[in-house]
Amino acid sequence: QQPVQSPQAVILREGEDAVINCSSSKALYSVHWYRQKHGEAPIFLMILLKGGEQKGHDKISASFNEKKQQSSLYLTASQLSYSGTYFCGTETSSNYKLTFGKGTLLTVNP
Amino acid sequence: EAQVTQNPRYLITVTGKKLTVTCSQNMNHEYMSWYRQDPGLGLRQIYYSMNVEVTDKGDVPEGYKVSRKEKRNFPLILESPSPNQTSLYFCASSPILGQGPGELFFGEGSRLTVL
Repeated sequence: QQPVQSPQAVILREGEDAVINCSSSKALYSVHWYRQKHGEAPIFLMILLKGGEQKGHDKISASFNEKKQQSSLYLTASQLSYSGTYFCGTETSSNYKLTFGKGTLLTVNP
Repeated sequence: EAQVTQNPRYLITVTGKKLTVTCSQNMNHEYMSWYRQDPGLGLRQIYYSMNVEVTDKGDVPEGYKVSRKEKRNFPLILESPSPNQTSLYFCASSPILGQGPGELFFGEGSRLTVL
């Protein structure tokens, strides 16, 4: 079952912050985050394996709340290069099956 | 250069004409997977493979077959394509991380049109 992402779309001005959420109806083993620019393949951002643990690089970080069966991606001081569609992928058990959400379209304007 | 290579990149075919989309990776990854991407539906997993000779169904396996006879190759076979299989297809590979896939490396995609 696909995880549910929210919002479906968000428009920001450069320098603003954004949060993208990913929720599952089942207990999660791991959460993956990817970004895809138009006409390109998805690019890996991060994986979260432990509940409550925050991972990140640069100005993008994420949290994983096992109890709430959800993850959030935090984009701080957004840059034009952050524009794209963000996908979360979830594993609901250690069975190697990774299911992606429908995506969140992020647009960063000057 | 580390990469996942898909072929063909673009294909227009007709209903019922068997076709194979090849996928090859040069990173010695254990895990490989196929996804299809349709507007508004995100990435949907078709099949995945944890290692040679080990494959399993994803969320939308109907109408597709796969095989994993060699570690580097994971072809996607459409035995009798139908118009509802018109889509953008991505192959991806990753090392195993813990008990699941790690960072996925995607191919450039194969755009398939079935008339």
